[in-house]
Amino acid sequence: EPEVTQTPSHQVTQMGQEVILRCVPISNHLYFYWYRQILGQKVEFLVSFYNNEISEKSEIFDDQFSVERPDGSNFTLKIRSTKLEDSAMYFCASRDTQANTEAFFGQGTRLTVV
Amino acid sequence: AQTVTQSQPEMSVQEAETVTLSCTYDTSESDYYLFWYKQPPSRQMILVIRQEAYKQQNATENRFSVNFQKAAKSFSLKISDSQLGDAAMYFCAYEGRDQFYFGTGTSLTVIP
Repeated sequence: EPEVTQTPSHQVTQMGQEVILRCVPISNHLYFYWYRQILGQKVEFLVSFYNNEISEKSEIFDDQFSVERPDGSNFTLKIRSTKLEDSAMYFCASRDTQANTEAFFGQGTRLTVV
Repeated sequence: AQTVTQSQPEMSVQEAETVTLSCTYDTSESDYYLFWYKQPPSRQMILVIRQEAYKQQNATENRFSVNFQKAAKSFSLKISDSQLGDAAMYFCAYEGRDQFYFGTGTSLTVIP
């Protein structure tokens, strides 16, 4: 079965540094998402992306965050200047069409900000 | 707005016994997906079972089955013949037109 892949599986970064989390969605999918889960808390929506632009974002997704699909296969989440509270599990997901199809999650990237 | 509620923060079950995890949701949409995800200590999100809302038949996947009550907006997970490896955090999730909505999770302990 096709799958969404995320790299790296674990990233440790110093506070204030920029970090880029990478995702390779399923090849024919058109809608892409980032979610995060702070340890011990629920999974939270960050942003959705379609047709090379953000279609929806949550209040968590502030100016420190950006997303990009640089080459038609990767879908990246950049955090410009990481804070301790950005430490979380970040999940990428993709789906084929908007209506009535399911999305598939990657295995997640654990980000630790020290 | 869509919400997903898991009213059981923790559950425990004896090995080989059956346990049911509860989930309710609220939505005005008619077509959607529902999921149960398992999250072990590695924190990877592992899909356990999925249910399409337009299908009346309850989904089953080996020892895992759901009781989907669309009118009641209820989606419980039954784990039969529980195994030690089933111990994990379980999240119920609703997928609508725009995004996923997750419950707060139920921590399942399996007692040998």
